[in-house]
Amino acid sequence: EVQVVESGGGLVQPGGSLRLSCAASGFSVSNYWMTWVRQAPGKGLEWTANIKYDGSDKNYVDSVKGRFTISRDNAKNSVILQMDSLRVEDTAVYYCAREKVPMITADAFDIWGQGTMVTVSS
Amino acid sequence: SYELTQPPSVSVSPGQTASITCSGDQLGNKYVSWYQQKPGQSPMLVISEDMKRPSGIPERFSGSNSGNTATLTISGTQAMDEADYYCQVWDSSTFYVFGAGTKVIVL
Repeated sequence: EVQVVESGGGLVQPGGSLRLSCAASGFSVSNYWMTWVRQAPGKGLEWTANIKYDGSDKNYVDSVKGRFTISRDNAKNSVILQMDSLRVEDTAVYYCAREKVPMITADAFDIWGQGTMVTVSS
Repeated sequence: SYELTQPPSVSVSPGQTASITCSGDQLGNKYVSWYQQKPGQSPMLVISEDMKRPSGIPERFSGSNSGNTATLTISGTQAMDEADYYCQVWDSSTFYVFGAGTKVIVL
């Protein structure tokens, strides 16, 4: 079965760090752009970051630039989101998603995980 | 930055047609995707590239895109279609953009 499973969420104080993981199965992340999308409680979807299939290109929404880092571990078939200098407004469910067409970006997200909750609060 | 505008809610009677709009500057020049999200669940792709249905998505879901407006149409709406729907595009300056979402209420 083609799926992704996120882990690593939790409660953290403002200014703290968290490392989210996205483990893929049924496909190889080395063939796809991968994306993180977040959703604050009761709010809509916000694209957060993505990474090229070979790791050579990474993009971020302006609000997380310089604080979040996306990376991939093709050997473990996974994608990582390192979140530093966390703010209260980063509180959200974080979803990992696959960009639909192999090796192509600027498309749609066809596989989504169940999400992992990140709460930033003192 | 590129922005997409959706109505907050759309109400429809069972068996009738629901139309959900998504507006943006010269939207017809971009590919629009649509996602369905039910409470407590992850989003699910229902339409990509304006009008393509992924495998497993019922035929009652269809899409169109022209000018400044894209539309997701649900024909013969069922109670199970009650959900939030988000449009999404890719833009060269802001990468991926989502609309704020439309709640479809099946009365």
